[in-house]
Amino acid sequence: KQEVTQIPAALSVPEGENLVLNCSFTDSAIYNLQWFRQDPGKGLTSLLLIQSSQREQTSGRLNASLDKSSGRSTLYIAASQPGDSATYLCAVSGSSYKLIFGSGTRLLVRP
Amino acid sequence: NAGVTQTPKFQVLKTGQSMTLQCAQDMNHNSMYWYRQDPGMGLRLIYYSASEGTTDKGEVPNGYNVSRLNKREFSLRLESAAPSQTSVYFCASSRDRGEKLFFGSGTQLSVL
Repeated sequence: KQEVTQIPAALSVPEGENLVLNCSFTDSAIYNLQWFRQDPGKGLTSLLLIQSSQREQTSGRLNASLDKSSGRSTLYIAASQPGDSATYLCAVSGSSYKLIFGSGTRLLVRP
Repeated sequence: NAGVTQTPKFQVLKTGQSMTLQCAQDMNHNSMYWYRQDPGMGLRLIYYSASEGTTDKGEVPNGYNVSRLNKREFSLRLESAAPSQTSVYFCASSRDRGEKLFFGSGTQLSVL
């Protein structure tokens, strides 16, 4: 059974810092991996989707990498801003295409 | 520019009552999903519909039923609500299975 873990559960950094969020999964037979952002009381917004054949995806200040063999993905946020404060979730999709989510990392960027 | 629309946003039920959560998407997506989000548990898939006319169970289907009414709409029904069903419910859609997911804003449900 696929399990997705995100460490740390919470992170507080000063504005301007570059940071890395971690996601690990137990079954490397994935179809793709997605990173989402969730603001308090809101739904999830998809940030990046990495296909199993890809190593990374970039969007603006965000870069997500995927290492299937080790069961790891990282989300790199450059030059963090207070507006980046949110919960970040990763999710993996297997052969059945069902997404399995991690519990998220709650990020606070302090002005 | 609506995307995925869920109603209602908030609901309080008594144990044993029934209700239907409505979801509609205007992106012409084939696949639709219902998730629940509980503190410390992440999001768990209740039911999904890979395409119009099909529905399948997810991780936690017990106590729920779904209807894919047409390509746009996917409803979730609680026949006899239980306190364990207190949660935030999210509807989502994707163009096809395994593609980028778009979420609604959620329904906060309390069962007393």
